[in-house]
Amino acid sequence: GAGVSQSPSNKVTEKGKDVELRCDPISGHTALYWYRQSLGQGLEFLIYFQGNSAPDKSGLPSDRFSAERTGGSVSTLTIQRTQQEDSAVYLCASSLQGVLGTIYFGEGSWLTVV
Amino acid sequence: AQTVTQSQPEMSVQEAETVTLSCTYDTSESDYYLFWYKQPPSRQMILVIRQEAYKQQNATENRFSVNFQKAAKSFSLKISDSQLGDAAMYFCAYRSAVSGGSNYKLTFGKGTLLTVNP
Repeated sequence: GAGVSQSPSNKVTEKGKDVELRCDPISGHTALYWYRQSLGQGLEFLIYFQGNSAPDKSGLPSDRFSAERTGGSVSTLTIQRTQQEDSAVYLCASSLQGVLGTIYFGEGSWLTVV
Repeated sequence: AQTVTQSQPEMSVQEAETVTLSCTYDTSESDYYLFWYKQPPSRQMILVIRQEAYKQQNATENRFSVNFQKAAKSFSLKISDSQLGDAAMYFCAYRSAVSGGSNYKLTFGKGTLLTVNP
């Protein structure tokens, strides 16, 4: 597609359930990022994928969070045993390889844990 | 670690007037990029303007311009002739240009909510 696509747009889940958030980056972009945006906060880096390199998972807040990227394209962020503090907007972004590449963001997945 | 500070949680401006959003950052690096992103209610982060630290000339994009003060580590955004469509959350962001390391990451401030009054 033309831009970064994320699904679902909105998700309400019960505490303790697992959720999966999907990101489809811009075609040809080798770098993919996940950020989390909590109410009243800036964006918090979660994880970074670059081509076939090992991902940088240093921003994942706990072992309940995991992400994978299949075939160097689509990525899935999984949150297990969701907690209320996981409620946030999860933003995915992609860019061409290299620091000069502009980072393009999707519209995010708004997760509410009740 | 780099930090980005936006000291104005909210700002308002009258339509057609000019407004300046403040941003300061802390880094020990000499080579980096600075960005302003706009996030309207649709939630999509849109790049407004970027500045390379090695460039002394301030970046401009139509009605948007920056005042980059490298020594003071300040990077403010000026919006001229404000329009209703400019209303959004604005985020200042930093990205290292140092080869290797975590130079792919964007470090964001907490944002400034801009209201444009008709």
